[in-house]
Amino acid sequence: GAGVSQSPSNKVTEKGKDVELRCDPISGHTALYWYRQSLGQGLEFLIYFQGNSAPDKSGLPSDRFSAERTGGSVSTLTIQRTQQEDSAVYLCASSLDGQPQHFGDGTRLSIL
Amino acid sequence: AQSVTQPDIHITVSEGASLELRCNYSYGATPYLFWYVQSPGQGLQLLLKYFSGDTLVQGIKGFEAEFKRSQSSFNLRKPSVHWSDAAEYFCAVGATGTDKLIFGTGTRLQVFP
Repeated sequence: GAGVSQSPSNKVTEKGKDVELRCDPISGHTALYWYRQSLGQGLEFLIYFQGNSAPDKSGLPSDRFSAERTGGSVSTLTIQRTQQEDSAVYLCASSLDGQPQHFGDGTRLSIL
Repeated sequence: AQSVTQPDIHITVSEGASLELRCNYSYGATPYLFWYVQSPGQGLQLLLKYFSGDTLVQGIKGFEAEFKRSQSSFNLRKPSVHWSDAAEYFCAVGATGTDKLIFGTGTRLQVFP
């Protein structure tokens, strides 16, 4: 597609369950980013990929959070043993080197 | 530490009025600066960016912003607001064009007819 695609758009799960969030970047974009948007914390950086490598994962809040990127394209953000404070909108962005980031519409995650 | 401050949480203007949204940043070097807009349930759309050169930058939808190094500011302006401009606006800073972004807390714009 023409833009960054994220799935699912909404996810409701029970506390303690694992969730996977998917991001399809714009074709050809080498850089991929994950951010989290929550009422209390605003927009926070989580992790950055260049190709399949993650040179900056400084924003991951705990070891329950992990992400991978395969084939220099699709990325998956995994949250294990979800907690209520994980409830947020998770945004993915992609870019060409040196160019601004283009964002997807996000996945709204709700932990019951 | 790097930070972005948007002092106005909520701004209300009448349609046709001029608009200025404030953004101040704290950064050790020359920053890369961005303004994004977010409509409800949507992702962030880039309005404009400043990397270098002319300090007055033009963006989409009739927006412009001016980089003032002496004031550490990058305020967003529009001469005449349209009802469709109602949204949340985020200022962001990065070390390079590809670096992670640090966002301000956002300014919610409400437009009255």
